[in-house]
Amino acid sequence: QKEVEQDPGPLSVPEGAIVSLNCTYSNSAFQYFMWYRQYSRKGPELLMYTYSSGNKEDGRFTAQVDKSSKYISLFIRDSQPSDSATYLCATDGAEDSWGKLQFGAGTQVVVTP
Amino acid sequence: GAVVSQHPSWVICKSGTSVKIECRSLDFQATTMFWYRQFPKQSLMLMATSNEGSKATYEQGVEKDKFLINHASLTLSTLTVTSAHPEDSSFYICSARDDRDKDEQYFGPGTRLTVT
Repeated sequence: QKEVEQDPGPLSVPEGAIVSLNCTYSNSAFQYFMWYRQYSRKGPELLMYTYSSGNKEDGRFTAQVDKSSKYISLFIRDSQPSDSATYLCATDGAEDSWGKLQFGAGTQVVVTP
Repeated sequence: GAVVSQHPSWVICKSGTSVKIECRSLDFQATTMFWYRQFPKQSLMLMATSNEGSKATYEQGVEKDKFLINHASLTLSTLTVTSAHPEDSSFYICSARDDRDKDEQYFGPGTRLTVT
């Protein structure tokens, strides 16, 4: 079983809609949770970074972490065609593997004009 | 923001040859860097952790004699794919952890390796 599970999609939404992405993880020791955006043939770009449970908002992006259910989410409001990319969740913070990110498979998002 | 560069961005080599990929932190020092591999439409898989001044640590299943890592300075780590084969063709991405804030890790743009 992979440590981080993520539906690869693709997820297609019309411009202006809310994009809802989520991942589940298996190791309760994980403490840090990240969402990255990756355009084709480019390196990942950090979008959101949260520690432990709770919500974090940054502009059109909201990240949620529910440690009790080991569930992390990313919401993109008022989606734009430029948001079309692959979104990867990642975790970090297991004591014996600090800094070694565990990535989900990535969800391909397509925002249609 | 902090910038990590990789060179080359794309390389084609013949089977059996070796290829070196560089990862540089441009405006910060990074004692620790990480090397990932990504196959098409798949996620990033951690290959190894590169530590300045000491040997790299490899993830299970990654051949250390095939993927040589050298972290000679606080801003440079190199990955050498030795005796490359077509199955080594992949997108190789490095990340560098900022020594000033070890919670921050920045990714390079990736290197696409094609072995013919």
